[in-house]
Amino acid sequence: SAVISQKPSRDICQRGTSLTIQCQVDSQVTMMFWYRQQPGQSLTLIATANQGSEATYESGFVIDKFPISRPNLTFSTLTVSNMSPEDSSIYLCSVGQMLSYNEQFFGPGTRLTVL
Amino acid sequence: AQKITQTQPGMFVQEKEAVTLDCTYDTSDPSYGLFWYKQPSSGEMIFLIYQGSYDQQNATEGRYSLNFQKARKSANLVISASQLGDSAMYFCAMREATGKGNMLTFGGGTRLMVKP
Repeated sequence: SAVISQKPSRDICQRGTSLTIQCQVDSQVTMMFWYRQQPGQSLTLIATANQGSEATYESGFVIDKFPISRPNLTFSTLTVSNMSPEDSSIYLCSVGQMLSYNEQFFGPGTRLTVL
Repeated sequence: AQKITQTQPGMFVQEKEAVTLDCTYDTSDPSYGLFWYKQPSSGEMIFLIYQGSYDQQNATEGRYSLNFQKARKSANLVISASQLGDSAMYFCAMREATGKGNMLTFGGGTRLMVKP
């Protein structure tokens, strides 16, 4: 299985600021995703990070608020912009291979608190 | 309609006993996969077990097994010989082949508490 790291592991931020979360994988992966888990809730997909092109966002998530980069097959970033307390969540990076339907792994998550 | 339903928000089980966590799903896609993840209080998502829609046998991984009843669209997780370390949130998730690549849709989760 892929080894996935995320930075930072947690942060406390002031409203109106932005935070960039990094996701690093120890091997090349075709698929990378960003999920959000609000307190006491399940996971919701924010977007699919596409290598070399713009991310594909799910309904309710927009690029201006959650810009995503994916410069190569092992790395992606998610920025949470102009934060408000409602953005307090765990943000999780997830990876998979296009033809390996039985595998999808998650990073350790970034626990964000916005004051 | 909910694609993945976990009807048990919380469950207790006595240490060393078996427990079943329920999951039902809704899809018209003939090709799909079902996943179970464990999320301890640390927040990480730990992959437990996978069942493909065309798999003939129920998946097993150590103390975890999946009771897959395709006609009933259920994929219940069975944990045998519960341990204190099994206390966590458990999420059922589905991937549909005609959906968006490897995207997973998650159920609401079940909090399992193992009593000593």
